[in-house]
Amino acid sequence: VQLLESGGGSVRPGGSLRLSCATSGFTFTNYAMTWVRQAPGKGLEWVSGITGTSGVTYYADSVKGRFTISRDNSKNILYLQMDNLTAEDTAVYYCAKQFRYSDDWGQGALVTVSS
Amino acid sequence: QSVLTQPASVSGSPGQSITISCTGTSSDIGAYNYVSWYQQHPGKAPKLIIYDLNNRPPGVSFRFSGSKSGNTASLTISGLQAEYEADYYCSSYTTSGTVVFGGGTKLTVL
Repeated sequence: VQLLESGGGSVRPGGSLRLSCATSGFTFTNYAMTWVRQAPGKGLEWVSGITGTSGVTYYADSVKGRFTISRDNSKNILYLQMDNLTAEDTAVYYCAKQFRYSDDWGQGALVTVSS
Repeated sequence: QSVLTQPASVSGSPGQSITISCTGTSSDIGAYNYVSWYQQHPGKAPKLIIYDLNNRPPGVSFRFSGSKSGNTASLTISGLQAEYEADYYCSSYTTSGTVVFGGGTKLTVL
């Protein structure tokens, strides 16, 4: 199993960024997927999850209305569209396989929101 | 969403056993047996060590075990080894269909 995040970087407050997570080594359609973030020196925070084939989405209150999770089952890629970013969104964002628990994780993508 | 409550730090000597608690509510830990635990070494991604309350993924040592009583889950590590020094996070599925994490516990092996 491989999960490879990309799309991280620096952005100004109010800006947008889209993270991608390219996956391989498992049947992507069969699994729910999750985004988890970790602010510098802080703990893990669950951000969003999406089911496998039906694509039902769930969000943490802290990002609801600003972030959108999606998936392309034909390309085996998970996405996280992040809009109206604030400094509190600065974190390493991990893509993880499964939802109720995550048995495989990517290496993370750093998102820095600063003016 | 609520954050599950964990002690900030625990410590033990090699060979000893330690337990990390994780307190939630009737909407998360108390609602289901969907508690998981993760180990994270500095600069690394989290690693799943316990899922669905007391199940170990392949390759995880038998020294790691999970349990629950009411709204509080626990991770027990028996026979402490230096390599177990890391941050540990609990997590639970919630009645809202989301997931919540604990604040994390730093384990120091003396």
